[in-house]
Amino acid sequence: QKEVEQDPGPLSVPEGAIVSLNCTYSNSAFQYFMWYRQYSRKGPELLMYTYSSGNKEDGRFTAQVDKSSKYISLFIRDSQPSDSATYLCAMRENNAGNMLTFGGGTRLMVKP
Amino acid sequence: DTAVSQTPKYLVTQMGNDKSIKCEQNLGHDTMYWYKQDSKKFLKIMFSYNNKELIINETVPNRFSPKSPDKAHLNLHINSLELGDSAVYFCASSQELPGSVQFFGPGTRLTVL
Repeated sequence: QKEVEQDPGPLSVPEGAIVSLNCTYSNSAFQYFMWYRQYSRKGPELLMYTYSSGNKEDGRFTAQVDKSSKYISLFIRDSQPSDSATYLCAMRENNAGNMLTFGGGTRLMVKP
Repeated sequence: DTAVSQTPKYLVTQMGNDKSIKCEQNLGHDTMYWYKQDSKKFLKIMFSYNNKELIINETVPNRFSPKSPDKAHLNLHINSLELGDSAVYFCASSQELPGSVQFFGPGTRLTVL
């Protein structure tokens, strides 16, 4: 079993839908949680970054962390075709040399 | 004004060869990383390096070695390439401070024939 699990998808939604992307993890020492977006043949780019539990909102994106359940989510409101990409969750322990552990990514397709 | 750049973008080579991938960052960051992304998009850390220490993922074969000529560069050298080394390799960089955001390069697609 991998440390971080993520449904690979693909997840196909119509434009304007609310998208929910999720990751589960097994390492209770993870303290920092990130979501990266990766377009085809490009490098990952950071979308959201949260520390410990709670919610964080940035425009159409909301990140949620539930440490008690070892579960994190990314919500995308009013999804756009330009949101079509692979979304990778990543997490890190407090003292781990900044080394991230990634999920396998969920491929999202938003259809016009 | 690319933040993290890698060369080459594509690399096709034969089994047994030795190759290097170059990475440069102009963000003034202290720490650089190499990741490997397999065909299933699974992104795995290989190395974390700053001027104080090199942290190696224990699963990385010793055929892989990072070389840093200066703070802005971290190259990846691979000896005796194997078919299983075919993947996309990403360089990243960040500040040294815990929790600093990592910025990724565009990737190098390595194909071993």
